[in-house]
Amino acid sequence: DIVMTQTPLSLSVTPGQPASISCKSSQSLLQSDGKTYLYWYLQKPGQSPQLLIYDVSSRLSGVPDRFSGSGSGTDFTLKISRVEAEDVGVYHCLQGRSLPWTFGQGTKMEIK
Amino acid sequence: DVYLVESGGGLIQPGRSLRLSCTASGFTFGDYAMSWVRQAPGKGLEWVSLIRSKGYGGTTQYAASVKGRFTISRDDSKSIAYLQMDSLKTEDTAVYYCTREPLFDLWGQGTLVTVSS
Repeated sequence: DIVMTQTPLSLSVTPGQPASISCKSSQSLLQSDGKTYLYWYLQKPGQSPQLLIYDVSSRLSGVPDRFSGSGSGTDFTLKISRVEAEDVGVYHCLQGRSLPWTFGQGTKMEIK
Repeated sequence: DVYLVESGGGLIQPGRSLRLSCTASGFTFGDYAMSWVRQAPGKGLEWVSLIRSKGYGGTTQYAASVKGRFTISRDDSKSIAYLQMDSLKTEDTAVYYCTREPLFDLWGQGTLVTVSS
């Protein structure tokens, strides 16, 4: 199974400041079709997860452009350029390269 | 509106069975693979099971932790995905979400399953 490791597991950010979350996979997520199946989700308090980023860096329609994804192979990053109060919650990365699909442990972000 | 609604959760004793349902609306359910994902209290997300669309054979996949105990199925005429959970264990206690493949771009609100004597 592909192991997904997120760091940090928690962070506290001042509104307006940037934030960054790392997700590393135990194997390359590059598929033979040329795509890299790495996704980012935000689970706001008391809610279901919501998709932010797919295929490493494609933002879902409606997701603010302060969210961006980058990386390749086994190392990936989610960046928030200017954190807002509504961004609080747990961020999860997911690999869709091979079954079983596996998630990172989650990164809990709070606002200072 | 496009949405998923899970149902069927509750308090159940170890060793018993429970069937969860995921009712879809607002999209052509039969065109999509569907997955179940669970989240134990205070824990992260764990993928549980997948069922592909009929166009891809309707084949199924399971996490090792539930293989042989859980069965996923679908009724495209009713736009419902099911998760039959047998021989339940205390460690199966979680909120169970259904989600739409391949992007997991649509999630239900979840249904809580508590396995306890």
